[in-house]
Amino acid sequence: DIQMTQSPSSLSASVGDRVTITCRASQSISSYLNWYQQKPGKVPNLLIYAASSLQSGVPSRFSGSGSGTDFTLTISSLQPEDFATYFCQQSYITLITFGQGTRLEIK
Amino acid sequence: QVQLVQSGADVKNPGASVKVSCTTSGYMFTTYFMHWVRQAPGQSLEWMGIINPSGTSTTYAEKFWNRVTMTTDTSTSTVYMELRNLRSEDTAVYYCARGGDEPNSFEYWGQGTLVTVSS
Repeated sequence: DIQMTQSPSSLSASVGDRVTITCRASQSISSYLNWYQQKPGKVPNLLIYAASSLQSGVPSRFSGSGSGTDFTLTISSLQPEDFATYFCQQSYITLITFGQGTRLEIK
Repeated sequence: QVQLVQSGADVKNPGASVKVSCTTSGYMFTTYFMHWVRQAPGQSLEWMGIINPSGTSTTYAEKFWNRVTMTTDTSTSTVYMELRNLRSEDTAVYYCARGGDEPNSFEYWGQGTLVTVSS
C-alpha cells in the first residue's frame, strides 16, 4: 500500500493567517492527490482533486500544489468556517489510502 | 442532484454481520463505480473497497478482503456492503462515496451509517 503522511497533525492559527498543510506519499503518485475538509459530525468535503484542481464551489482561498511524493494544501487567508480537519488521499492506485489528518484549530 | 442515501444506524454483537445499503439517485447508476470508506471514532478515513455498477468486479482493501462483500442491485440503483465477523474495532461510521470527473476522488458521499459493535 502507499502510505500517506500529513504534517502537522494539528495546527493552531488565527483568522486571516496563511496556512500550509503538507502530505507526503511513500512512493511517487504523480498528481493523483486529493484534499478533503471535514467538520465534526459531518461528511468529508472534496476541496482539491488532481493535486491542484479546485473543486466546483470551493472558495479560491484554497489551493493545492505538488507532484510525485510531496504535496501542499494552502489556505491563503483563514476564515472562521475553515477550522476543521483536513485529509489528503492518493488515487494513484485503486488501493486508495488517506493521510492521518491535520486538525486546524483556532488560536 | 446526485444523492446517496444510506441505511440507518445499527448495533451488532461481536461475531455478527452487518449489511449497509446505499441507494442512489440523480445520475445514471450504470456510469459510476462506488467506493466504501469507514471512519472509526476520532480516527482518519479508511478505504474499504470499490465495486462496479453491475456488481461483476470488486477490489477490496487487503485488511477486509476475507470479511467484506460488496454487491449492487441495478433495479433499485442500490449498493450494499456486508461486513462479517464483526469485532469492537469495527465500530465506525461507514460511508459510500462516488467519484466525479476524477473517478477516485470522492465528490459525493452518503450521509454515513454508524455501526456499533458491542456485547
